[in-house]
Amino acid sequence: GAVVSQHPSRVICKSGTSVKIECRSLDFQATTMFWYRQFPKQSLMLMATSNEGSKATYEQGVEKDKFLINHASLTLSTLTVTSAHPEDSSFYICSARVGGGAFTGELFFGEGSRLTVL
Amino acid sequence: EDQVTQSPEALRLQEGESSSLNCSYTVSGLRGLFWYRQDPGKGPEFLFTLYSAGEEKEKERLKATLTKKESFLHITAPKPEDSATYLCAVQAAGDDKIIFGKGTRLHILP
Repeated sequence: GAVVSQHPSRVICKSGTSVKIECRSLDFQATTMFWYRQFPKQSLMLMATSNEGSKATYEQGVEKDKFLINHASLTLSTLTVTSAHPEDSSFYICSARVGGGAFTGELFFGEGSRLTVL
Repeated sequence: EDQVTQSPEALRLQEGESSSLNCSYTVSGLRGLFWYRQDPGKGPEFLFTLYSAGEEKEKERLKATLTKKESFLHITAPKPEDSATYLCAVQAAGDDKIIFGKGTRLHILP
């Protein structure tokens, strides 16, 4: 099956610093990647859709200047949490869709990144 | 507004005790309904895609079914290793987004 690698798996940072999370598709090209955020015992909340070579599409209520998404290649998307605060502490998960065109196919997820902001 | 509701929120079963998890959905034209398994601290793992009412998919002890309003994930004779959170998600026709339910936390007791 398709493999999506996410790094780092855990990060602890001080309030006010920026943190970058990488998401790579290892054995396929992903023109579209998705970034989700998950709080304990809650559903995955879509933050943004990342398209290779273009600007990300953010969901309502997600600050695009705070959560910077870059999708510079067909195998790599990054999420940078800028000026992180304790309320940004969460589990961030990326996913990629295999296949494209009219049929979207299933999502394959990375292992997730646990961010703790002190 | 597209919506996914899963029930129960949590379920504890004895090993070998079969049961079903429910996923009710409201979507403007269903492109696909997906089931995922998520272990604690991990990303979701894809299980099934269902596209139209009446469709069924099976994998080991799991069987997913679909109607026009809901999907069931049946688990037959579960084992402790089946313990996980099971997530249901839908994608509307003409939309890139996949919307997730809150999941059902399944715990199988040995």
